[in-house]
Amino acid sequence: GAGVSQTPSNKVTEKGKYVELRCDPISGHTALYWYRQSLGQGPEFLIYFQGTGAADDSGLPNDRFFAVRPEGSVSTLKIQRTERGDSAVYLCASSFAEKGETQYFGPGTRLLVL
Amino acid sequence: AQKITQTQPGMFVQEKEAVTLDCTYDTSDPSYGLFWYKQPSSGEMIFLIYQGSYDQQNATEGRYSLNFQKARKSANLVISASQLGDSAMYFCAMREHQGTDKLIFGTGTRLQVFP
Repeated sequence: GAGVSQTPSNKVTEKGKYVELRCDPISGHTALYWYRQSLGQGPEFLIYFQGTGAADDSGLPNDRFFAVRPEGSVSTLKIQRTERGDSAVYLCASSFAEKGETQYFGPGTRLLVL
Repeated sequence: AQKITQTQPGMFVQEKEAVTLDCTYDTSDPSYGLFWYKQPSSGEMIFLIYQGSYDQQNATEGRYSLNFQKARKSANLVISASQLGDSAMYFCAMREHQGTDKLIFGTGTRLQVFP
């Protein structure tokens, strides 16, 4: 079946602009995760959804970052007033609901803030 | 605090040889899971293998095996019969079973397979 998909694959924006990154999880996966990967680093956790609700948003760096998952499937990561330091690859992953299930990742969105 | 350490920034291996990528971890949770992911230049994180802290045997998946030494808190990935397509970044990750399911990743090891 289809894997996790993310759009856009690349996004270039100017400092101060607003961006939205979309994630479409694997069908049937109720858990969804967002991670951020800076150059030369491993992914860092941002937020975790179980169904429609954010079960853990402790990784969001500040209040410019927000994510939603209104129908328990597609999720959107929203970044307001982008800064150059937000430039990174944003990865989305999904898994079945049961604890301990493997997370499967999408190809990521490469965000560049000029 | 939970932490993953990968001390090898880069490794080289000749095609058809075996290679071991090191991973050590730190956690106070008695129940946890350890994962290895492969990230080719395309950027996608590909799941390779999983080891649960209470699993009695080391995990194996095809050419991948995990050398799990619980007392040493190490979970090294062994790739047998390396192929040119194995050239990629490899990340070790941990999930504690208490709390949420977020993964904590190491900084990765870049593996290059040469003919």
